[in-house]
Formats: sequence, structure tokens, C-alpha cells
Amino acid sequence: NAGVTQTPKFQVLKTGQSMTLQCAQDMNHNSMYWYRQDPGMGLRLIYYSASEGTTDKGEVPNGYNVSRLNKREFSLRLESAAPSQTSVYFCASSEGFEPYYGYTFGSGTRLTVV
Amino acid sequence: KQEVTQIPAALSVPEGENLVLNCSFTDSAIYNLQWFRQDPGKGLTSLLLIQSSQREQTSGRLNASLDKSSGRSTLYIAASQPGDSATYLCAVYTSGTYKYIFGTGTRLKVLA
Repeated sequence: NAGVTQTPKFQVLKTGQSMTLQCAQDMNHNSMYWYRQDPGMGLRLIYYSASEGTTDKGEVPNGYNVSRLNKREFSLRLESAAPSQTSVYFCASSEGFEPYYGYTFGSGTRLTVV
Repeated sequence: KQEVTQIPAALSVPEGENLVLNCSFTDSAIYNLQWFRQDPGKGLTSLLLIQSSQREQTSGRLNASLDKSSGRSTLYIAASQPGDSATYLCAVYTSGTYKYIFGTGTRLKVLA
């Protein structure tokens, strides 16, 4: 089925380790987003890519980097993981950056930093 | 700054009951509002997207309304079923921004 695919689904890291979360969509969407979801705080935008070749910071970008590898793929990298980055990470995509497009979400990556 | 609130945080109802979930937002200058469903350990599934020019959207047993002037949206679920048990999130896209602001959700449990 068409959609947004995230890998891995679960990950445990030690403080200071690095890792990359992968996201790919097969809907030919132009815009892609990374969110984190924490209890009691709702989803918060980390980074977004309005179109291939562009990336911008969201609300909570510190400690993260992103790469829009091509139109399909948008990765999120944690260079030196911290316990505060324990969260569920969601990737989303939309047909365009204009606000009248809705979002399609992946199933998430549950990350624990110990 | 846009703030989105969903009350109650949790709700339990018997099967077959009609129910209403509430979403309120502080800035009425919105482009659209989207309702999502999230099952435990899973991602978000879009249910309904209401543009600012619309008053309501319907999909099956779901009906979402939007009142921009009062900063409110409701999600009406008719004849609830145990399979409706999930967390329901609303998200608002505010004019002049580039992102959705999400509420923290209402966790619904429909009892058989």
C-alpha cells in the first residue's frame, strides 16, 4: 500500500551514540516533515522540507539534523543522543507545502536513550 | 501563539452511544483543521480535513464541524463501536505559519 515508511520501528541508544532515522514516501509528495511525540505535549515539529533540496527548522530542532536525500526520502539524524531525545518520532508527507493539503503519517519510530 | 486544547483527555462510553469530542484553538485565523486517529503504538491516520471556508465534513459515522469565530471544532461519532477505541487528535494550520499545531488528544474507550 502507498504511504510513508519509517525505519527502524524501535531503537535503544546509549547516551552519546548517533543514529539516523529513515523515512520514505511513495506518493510523489513534495513536502516532508519530522515530528516528535511526547506524553502530554502533543506532536512538535523538528524539521521540515518544503520541497526537494530544501530543509528548515521547526519548533524543536536542537540536537537533530536532516537530509532530504531525494524527493522520496527524508532522514533525521541524532549526532549525540541524549535521554531528553527519548520519544516517538513520526515522519509525515504532504502533496505540497500549501496549507490546504493534509498530511500522511508514518507509523513511527520509538526511540529510547539510556 | 496558537494553542490547541482537547477536553476531556480521556473518555469511556458504552457501545452504541453517540459521542462528541471537542477541540478548541486560540487563534481563529486558520487555513484548515484536521482530525486524526492514533491507535496504541501506531502512527496517525487522517480522518477528516476541514478547510477554513467549510463548516463541516462527513465520512461514514464521523462528522466534524468547524466554528472559526468561536475557535472550536467537534468530532461527532455516531453509534460508537469498540473498534473506535483510540486516541483522537486535532491539528490546526494557522495563517502565516508553516505547520500544524496539535492538541494532546482525547483517549476514547468504547466498552462492549
